[in-house]
Amino acid sequence: QSGLTQPPSASGTPGQSVTISCSGSSSNIGSNDVYWYQHLPGTAPKFFIYRNTQRPSGVPDRFSGSKSGTSASLAISGLRAEDEADYYCATWDDSLSGWVFGGGTKLTVL
Amino acid sequence: EVQLVESGGGLVQPGGSLRLSCAASGFTLKNYWMNWVRQAPGKGLEWVANIKQDGSEKYYVDSVKGRFTISRDNAKNSLYLQMNSLRGEDTAIYYCASGATGPPPGSWGFSYWGQGTLVTVSS
Repeated sequence: QSGLTQPPSASGTPGQSVTISCSGSSSNIGSNDVYWYQHLPGTAPKFFIYRNTQRPSGVPDRFSGSKSGTSASLAISGLRAEDEADYYCATWDDSLSGWVFGGGTKLTVL
Repeated sequence: EVQLVESGGGLVQPGGSLRLSCAASGFTLKNYWMNWVRQAPGKGLEWVANIKQDGSEKYYVDSVKGRFTISRDNAKNSLYLQMNSLRGEDTAIYYCASGATGPPPGSWGFSYWGQGTLVTVSS
């Protein structure tokens, strides 16, 4: 079952901006909304961005999502130490009739 | 406060079976598609299966089709995953997660998650 493609790692220093990409195909990102999850080891993943661009309450506005064609991105501005986590994109795949996740991006704040 | 609590994980031999449960509180499970998502050691998140509000539709990732069965008991506000013919590659933390409140299943992501239960398949 093919998933979405994310870079395995990203990093930046405090205050910098970082973007995490998520690449898919016409049957998944091209046809459905993208969701992002923040995951800290040993905890439950957190619902972080929904319907491509929307932030649930409690998610800082330093985080923003976007989508264009068969790709999506999560942008983080004003990087902070507490942003260190794994970030996953996910969407429904019409061809597979199932959810697909990206491989996850480990964000490190240097 | 919404709580999803998984149970039933443990150590099982290859070829064995295990039944996971997910109990919901502060949350009306019958209104949601429900999902199982897993994370193998050192790996990323992988969606496993989901089930419609009334149980009439179920979808599975290819690697578990024919071996795993998702079910629910709305009266008990609970979700289940029956896992048969377990393999080493099924070793993972299994999370239950809520989904959409209406059709289709991909119309909403995983809003609420449990803390997960660890399944280890090993001889």
